[in-house]
Amino acid sequence: LAKTTQPISMDSYEGQEVNITCSHNNIATNDYITWYQQFPSQGPRFIIQGYKTKVTNEVASLFIPADRKSSTLSLPRVSLSDTAVYYCLVGDNGQAGTALIFGKGTTLSVSS
Amino acid sequence: GAGVSQSPSNKVTEKGKDVELRCDPISGHTALYWYRQSLGQGLEFLIYFQGNSAPDKSGLPSDRFSAERTGGSVSTLTIQRTQQEDSAVYLCASSPRESYYGYTFGSGTRLTVV
Repeated sequence: LAKTTQPISMDSYEGQEVNITCSHNNIATNDYITWYQQFPSQGPRFIIQGYKTKVTNEVASLFIPADRKSSTLSLPRVSLSDTAVYYCLVGDNGQAGTALIFGKGTTLSVSS
Repeated sequence: GAGVSQSPSNKVTEKGKDVELRCDPISGHTALYWYRQSLGQGLEFLIYFQGNSAPDKSGLPSDRFSAERTGGSVSTLTIQRTQQEDSAVYLCASSPRESYYGYTFGSGTRLTVV
């Protein structure tokens, strides 16, 4: 699995857009980029996954440049409830036999 | 069921006792994973099942830890002779064949060894 690097922490205010960038220089051709969100006292929750360009769902957008060596998770107009740890993971989504290895993630703190 | 179910939600045990933690994955999910998370720390991978077999046990911290999965469904994580450093939240996740990295996690079992 490709190693990822993301900021340890970020601070924001309610209503702002938050962009969390993840570096994955050794991403392989078959690898997908997956983001998880973890609230305190809960298990992580899958929020978005992409392979290239842009993916958008009701929670977030994921931007992936052509070289795929990085990706940016974008949270529009955050609220206090978006305070959580966000994990970036890279791996071959269709390949059984490996488990996701979660790093320390990015702790996002949203203030009023 | 609708989600991944773990039991018990909380467990307090005395040092040296054995404990069993249970995970009931989403019906039809072929892959099942165990992680643990100590206070303020990231997730530590323990073991992974594909069906009833465990291709990757590399994360089990010692031979006091074991896990099994029966019928391609329920899994049990057993910790023998518990130690205080085993105190953590034990999380189980499952994923379907068509999206191995689309994990659904349970709410976890908070284990406290006193």
